[in-house]
This record gives sequence, C-alpha cells and structure tokens, in this order.
Amino acid sequence: QSALTQPPSASGSPGQSVTISCTGTSSDVGGYNYVSWYQQHPGKAPKYMIYEVSKRPSGVPDRFSGSKSGNTASLTVSGLQAEDEADYYCSSYAGSNNYVFGTGTKVTVL
Amino acid sequence: QVQLVQSGAEVRKPGASVKVSCKASGYTLTRFYLHWVRQAPGQGLEWMGIMNPRGGTTIYAQNFQGRLTMTTDTSTSSVYLDLSSLRSEDTAVYYCARAMADSTWTIDCWGQGTLVTVSS
Repeated sequence: QSALTQPPSASGSPGQSVTISCTGTSSDVGGYNYVSWYQQHPGKAPKYMIYEVSKRPSGVPDRFSGSKSGNTASLTVSGLQAEDEADYYCSSYAGSNNYVFGTGTKVTVL
Repeated sequence: QVQLVQSGAEVRKPGASVKVSCKASGYTLTRFYLHWVRQAPGQGLEWMGIMNPRGGTTIYAQNFQGRLTMTTDTSTSSVYLDLSSLRSEDTAVYYCARAMADSTWTIDCWGQGTLVTVSS
C-alpha cells in the first residue's frame, strides 16, 4: 500500500489560511469517508484534528476544517496562529483491513 | 482521563527481537481497537497493524507479516507489540494508538511513543 501524497511544506503568515492536500486513489481516499488529519509537534505524539473527512473532535478549534473531492482530501487552517506550526499527516482506510498515512506536510507560520 | 503509557526506550542488535508494552488507563481496554504505528527518525508515520483486545484478533500490515505479533493482557489492561528479526531500518519510535469506539479507522488517542534503536 503506497503512502498518500502530501506537499512537503506549506506556509502562511499569522491570520492567513493554508490548505494542505492529500492525494490517494479510488481504493483509499476516494473510496471511503475514513480520512483523518493529525497534527504532530516536534518530539510529540500525533493529535487528531479531523476525522471522517470533515468532523472536528471537541476541543479542536473551528479554524481547522476538512473536505474531500474525488481522490483528494484537504485540510484548511484558517486564521493561522504560531502554535499551528507543526507537521500534519492525513490518513485513510484503504480497504481489506488496510490503513495508510500520508507523506506529511510541514506547516510554517511566517 | 484516557491514557496510553508505553514502556521505555530499547536498544537491540540486528536479528534480535523487541517487545514494547502499552498500558491503557481511564477506559476499558476491551471496548476499543488498538493500532500500532511507527515513525523512523525524520520520516512519516507508518501503520503496522490493528488488534481487538477483546478476543485478541489481529490484522497486520503486509510489510510486517511474519515478523510482527500483537498480544493483549486484559488483567493488566496492556497490549504488546513484538517485532522480530530486527534490522537497522526498524529503528523508529513505535506508538500504540486507540481507535474511536464507533470508528475503527479513526485514531483518537496516542501513547507517548517508544524509541527502538537497532544497531550493532
């Protein structure tokens, strides 16, 4: 199972928005609504920010939103804040009891 | 609160095995599936497999079949990852991670990670 494709980096100034893409195939992202997004700060465990494409867990700011079109999912962070600087990973169920992560995107707040 | 507490760092020689533990607290272990995920230094996340602590059913990612064993001890609310025939490429932080109750393929809680170093 190949990793989902994410851009290596993304950046924005405080207050701006940044959108990260996550491209898979019809066998994973496009075939199921089990896309999640995780935020990981250096040296820390990941934290889930979005699940089932667009659902936001309690406690996650509404600045974080998710969507999907075809085989590509997206995470948008609006109103960027310094604490949003981190690595972000998407993931998806890939059928036949398989699960796959994205390649990861480093978000920099300028 | 819900917590997954993992065992400490390990160093192994190539060809050896390693066993990492993950103790759950704040919830009933058998009610939630558990995933194992690893992350090599400076690299991304890699899914290793999933287990149902109630009954011990396991599913392993193809990359690890034959070398990976996941077990559970419900008496201590712990799950274990056993990886054999270690090679240098297995050097990574290993995470246990809990699935949501109603969404097996969503991880909602992660352990702190266990660094496994494979070096001669």
